[in-house]
Amino acid sequence: SQQGEEDPQALSIQEGENATMNCSYKTSINNLQWYRQNSGRGLVHLILIRSNEREKHSGRLRVTLDTSKKSSSLLITASRAADTASYFCATDGTGANSKLTFGKGITLSVRP
Amino acid sequence: DARVTQTPRHKVTEMGQEVTMRCQPILGHNTVFWYRQTMMQGLELLAYFRNRAPLDDSGMPKDRFSAEMPDATLATLKIQPSEPRDSAVYFCASGLVRGGSNEQFFGPGTRLTVL
Repeated sequence: SQQGEEDPQALSIQEGENATMNCSYKTSINNLQWYRQNSGRGLVHLILIRSNEREKHSGRLRVTLDTSKKSSSLLITASRAADTASYFCATDGTGANSKLTFGKGITLSVRP
Repeated sequence: DARVTQTPRHKVTEMGQEVTMRCQPILGHNTVFWYRQTMMQGLELLAYFRNRAPLDDSGMPKDRFSAEMPDATLATLKIQPSEPRDSAVYFCASGLVRGGSNEQFFGPGTRLTVL
């Protein structure tokens, strides 16, 4: 299976601190994506990183990808209480009809 | 502001009843997904369509679940008969697959409770 597995399962930090979340996967990918889910809502796409990219930035988000280790990390800098949510990584395999496979998610709590 | 819409948002029904969930994907998107989310199993892909053709429904219990796209603006997921273990949040997502980019846009979900 190429399922993404996030680590840690839960993370609690103080507002203003940085949050780092990790994702590992098992097989070759076209791209890896991170999504956020607020309580009671659908998932929202945050950022996509392609297999030939190593790092990508979007606002306070920084994503890295290490294809040799089959791992990715999502860094949220200067966290805010509004960042409290679950975060999922999703991998897109290399098949022709590839679909996204989601991990179980990381619960991030940012204390005001 | 283009969004995926789902109806109903909440559904409480009794075991054995038929449940139909509807989804309107974002106009112009060529791929539609149905997911189920529970605390125990996380997010599971049930079925997905590209250009209205079913591509994969291997995640769906075939004896009771069915998914269709009668037209480009409507996707349906039906459970008949429903069982308590079907209680979950069901999400529809749509996307435009092109050039190696395939991010998905999720609807707000249908929270299903089967008593």
